[in-house]
Amino acid sequence: GQQLNQSPQSMFIQEGEDVSMNCTSSSIFNTWLWYKQDPGEGPVLLIALYKAGELTSNGRLTAQFGITRKDSFLNISASIPSDVGIYFCAGRWTPSGSRLTFGEGTQLTVNP
Amino acid sequence: EPEVTQTPSHQVTQMGQEVILRCVPISNHLYFYWYRQILGQKVEFLVSFYNNEISEKSEIFDDQFSVERPDGSNFTLKIRSTKLEDSAMYFCASSEPGQGSTDTQYFGPGTRLTVL
Repeated sequence: GQQLNQSPQSMFIQEGEDVSMNCTSSSIFNTWLWYKQDPGEGPVLLIALYKAGELTSNGRLTAQFGITRKDSFLNISASIPSDVGIYFCAGRWTPSGSRLTFGEGTQLTVNP
Repeated sequence: EPEVTQTPSHQVTQMGQEVILRCVPISNHLYFYWYRQILGQKVEFLVSFYNNEISEKSEIFDDQFSVERPDGSNFTLKIRSTKLEDSAMYFCASSEPGQGSTDTQYFGPGTRLTVL
């Protein structure tokens, strides 16, 4: 099946710093999604990307759908303590169906 | 804001017992999904459901699993004879109708299943 490689696995940063994480795939997707998961909770959608090259922002978050359709990145600017959590990328190739393939997650820790 | 709800939040069962996990998707959504997440691992797709039938399932979703939409609001996942390795968080998700490649899946808070 399709595999997503997400990096880094974990990040420890100071409040106010910018953060960048990315996902790469060996196969193409036509949708990329970024979710955040807090402990014991379900994934919460942050940003959805539907077109190659698309750059979308949601507040301090910015994500891009790679031109090759095999990668995506998420940037968080001016991090704050509540940004702590696990960030997952997820891809979908709709000709194969609607299933989402998730990355392994990036654990973000923000030190105040 | 509408949200997906799931019950129970935590289910403990003995190996070999049947469990039913329940979900109430967002009311105008027509596509429903189950995913699971083993502790410390990534979220994995189990099954998608549309128009009262399974539209896609993964290799994890074997004969021990079944899904049902028993009425206009609930969506259930049944595990017939639980195994130790079924212990995981199970997430329900739903998405809007007719959006094709642009439909976005919204997740519930999950049910933590512990098989002893």
